Amino acid sequence: SQKIEQNSEALNIQEGKTATLTCNYTNYSPAYLQWYRQDPGRGPVFLLLIRENEKEKRKERLKVTFDTTLKQSLFHITASQPADSATYLCALDGIYGGSQGNLIFGKGTKLSVKP
Amino acid sequence: DAGVTQSPTHLIKTRGQQVTLRCSPKSGHDTVSWYQQALGQGPQFIFQYYEEEERQRGNFPDRFSGHQFPNYSSELNVNALLLGDSALYLCASSLPGSGEQYFGPGTRLTVT
Repeated sequence: SQKIEQNSEALNIQEGKTATLTCNYTNYSPAYLQWYRQDPGRGPVFLLLIRENEKEKRKERLKVTFDTTLKQSLFHITASQPADSATYLCALDGIYGGSQGNLIFGKGTKLSVKP
Repeated sequence: DAGVTQSPTHLIKTRGQQVTLRCSPKSGHDTVSWYQQALGQGPQFIFQYYEEEERQRGNFPDRFSGHQFPNYSSELNVNALLLGDSALYLCASSLPGSGEQYFGPGTRLTVT
């Protein structure tokens, strides 16, 4: 069956450390992979999009990698802060080619950054 | 610049009833997608509207229907509500061909 898994339901780290979140998928060949942040009771907020022909993308303290051979994406937050505490969602896009907007989401990883 | 807005914020309905949820997209966006998010789960794609037509549909029954108006706002209708329809319903808007989705705050639907 087709699956998208975010390996940790919860991740607890100390302020200042790098948080690394994992997203694995099977039986899909997405053209894009996206990461969103969701705070309790609110809608997801777009963070980064990476294309299948890109290995890595950065935005400020955020870095995403995309390995289409391993069918895996890693999401890193460097110099983490308590304000980074939230649920982070991985989403597949373009599984039928081109960005269609019908995203397939993982369950999310709840990140807690302790001061 | 107003982002995506949704109404109502919360809603309580009884099994078998019908419900209508509303969404106004971000200014300049003409594509609206609806998602259902159960507690502890990621959002699940319901359908997408563009140029007032349903362009794509996820794995949801016909009880879920929608509409898009000429001003790009959209409605999600759910008939014959089931307890399992209790969830956060999210609306997202985007530009055609743009992967980035802008989500609204959601409508929390509780079916009793």
